[in-house]
Parts: sequence; C-alpha cells; structure tokens
Amino acid sequence: NAGVTQTPKFHILKIGQSMTLQCTQDMNHNYMYWYRQDPGMGLKLIYYSVGAGITDKGEVPNGYNVSRSTTEDFPLRLELAAPSQTSVYFCASSRQGADQNSPLHFGNGTRLTVT
Amino acid sequence: AQSVAQPEDQVNVAEGNPLTVKCTYSVSGNPYLFWYVQYPNRGLQFLLKYITGDNLVKGSYGFEAEFNKSQTSFHLKKPSALVSDSALYFCAVTHASNTGKLIFGQGTTLQVKP
Repeated sequence: NAGVTQTPKFHILKIGQSMTLQCTQDMNHNYMYWYRQDPGMGLKLIYYSVGAGITDKGEVPNGYNVSRSTTEDFPLRLELAAPSQTSVYFCASSRQGADQNSPLHFGNGTRLTVT
Repeated sequence: AQSVAQPEDQVNVAEGNPLTVKCTYSVSGNPYLFWYVQYPNRGLQFLLKYITGDNLVKGSYGFEAEFNKSQTSFHLKKPSALVSDSALYFCAVTHASNTGKLIFGQGTTLQVKP
C-alpha cells in the first residue's frame, strides 16, 4: 500500500496565481483532512471530509477550497495565492473520525512558497 | 473550544536518561488524546492514544503517556532515551461527537545527545 500520497512535493507560486494540491489514499478511508504546518504553530486544520461528497471547514479555511468526488481523492485548491499561504501542507486520512479511536495517516507533505 | 498546549519548544536529554515531553489540554467533555512524531521532511506518525480506561497508555517505540484528569495533562514519557528518538513531537486532542476535528499543539523538539 502506498498510503497517503501528496503531489507535488515542492512548488513556488506567484502572488495571485492559483493551484491545486493533490492528495490520494489507497486505504479506503472515509475521513480525509488538510492541515498546514507553520514553524512554532503546530498543525492547523484547513478542511476535512467524512466521506465522498461531504466536506466541512476546519480552523483556517479562508483562501482555500476542497472537493471530495471520490473516496480516494481530496484535492486542495488555492485561489489567488497570498504570501501568508506559504507553508507546508499535509493531507491525512483515517478510517473513522479521531473521536472513534482511529489514528490519522499522513502524507509526506507539500512545501509551498508564495512570492 | 478545545485547545492543547506544549509548554516547551525543545527538550534536551542525554541518551539513556528518562525523557518527558509535556502536554496540557482544554476540552469540554471527556478528552481523546494522541501523540504523534514527525521526522525531518516526513508526515506525522501515530505513537499512542488515550480514549478511556487505564491512565497509563503504552505506544510504539517504547513510549508511554500518562493521562491526568485533575491536571488536564497527557505527558509523553520514555524510561531510556535513544539518539534515534530525536524528532518533533505533537500532542493532539479531540472529544466525542467532534467528527474528527483533531487539534494539535505547537510541537516540541526532542534532542537526545549521545
């Protein structure tokens, strides 16, 4: 099993451009998440999904959009990129919610720089 | 609102000595608590969890954590540190009916010196 796969690993984006960070998992997990990690700030939840066709906002959703058309894929869309979106982005998945005793499986991250 | 705090940015220990990485939390209702570890340029890996039951939980790589409800703490411990334990450690919390919204602390860097 590949687990959770994120692409690209690195990307440099100009201010105002848009891009999509890809995330796919092959574990047939229902729940998927997008986090951003900034130095000294830990991980902040951007969006999450409890199943195909269902998404919800996390702590820091502004400037991002997501979709969940299949169980496997959970892309994160950045519209009109801003320097404040420079970060490392992690996708994760779990069989059930964390409150159901189900650990998260993380991808290796996408390091995004907006200049 | 739920939150978790890791009061130390960095913990330094000598190899072979015991280690503790601290975590305190705030949540309404019964907490579900987790520890994750992150090695350089990698995603987070699950170490252990407390959901209910025994206050001392054991996890991967010889780590354990003690849940203390009165002090709202969930400190990570290991009796004898290894150099290979050097990494970034995250505490996380959620609670029942929160549909998977896991909230992470800011992380603590553990440095184990030979």
